[in-house]
Amino acid sequence: EPEVTQTPSHQVTQMGQEVILRCVPISNHLYFYWYRQILGQKVEFLVSFYNNEISEKSEIFDDQFSVERPDGSNFTLKIRSTKLEDSAMYFCASKPRGGTYNEQFFGPGTRLTVL
Amino acid sequence: AQKVTQAQTEISVVEKEDVTLDCVYETRDTTYYLFWYKQPPSGELVFLIRRNSFDEQNEISGRYSWNFQKSTSSFNFTITASQVVDSAVYFCALSGNTGGFKTIFGAGTRLFVKA
Repeated sequence: EPEVTQTPSHQVTQMGQEVILRCVPISNHLYFYWYRQILGQKVEFLVSFYNNEISEKSEIFDDQFSVERPDGSNFTLKIRSTKLEDSAMYFCASKPRGGTYNEQFFGPGTRLTVL
Repeated sequence: AQKVTQAQTEISVVEKEDVTLDCVYETRDTTYYLFWYKQPPSGELVFLIRRNSFDEQNEISGRYSWNFQKSTSSFNFTITASQVVDSAVYFCALSGNTGGFKTIFGAGTRLFVKA
């Protein structure tokens, strides 16, 4: 069964460094998402991406964040200058067009630790 | 705006007890979708059940059942004959037809099942 994959599973970086989190969505899906979960808290929506552009973003998704689908298979989240508070689990998700339940398929997550 | 409320922060039960997790949602969308996810200590989001706003029929799937009531905007989830392996954080989630179909999560309920 196809699934969303994310790499790396765990990334450690120094404050102020740039990080790129990578996701490979399910191949025939058209909608792509990033979510964030700070340890012990709820999962929060960051951004949705469709037709090669951002369709919606949350207040969390400020100028430090960007997303890209560089080659038609990968979907990346870049944090330009990481802060301590960016430490969290980042989930990628994808969704096909339509569907009875509008269900998004989540990847296993990348745990980002900013020191 | 969409909102999901899980009033129960933590629940502790003894193995084989039934347990119900409460979820109340708010949305202005006429078409929406509701989900329950399980997050074990390993951190991934495990899809459990889903429902769309047109179908209030309640069902049972193995040890899981749900009670969807549009009149009270509730989507409660019951685990029958709980097991230690059910110990996890459970998230109720809502997705509509706006906002890029983003998913909004509740704060989660941590379930402890004791042997």
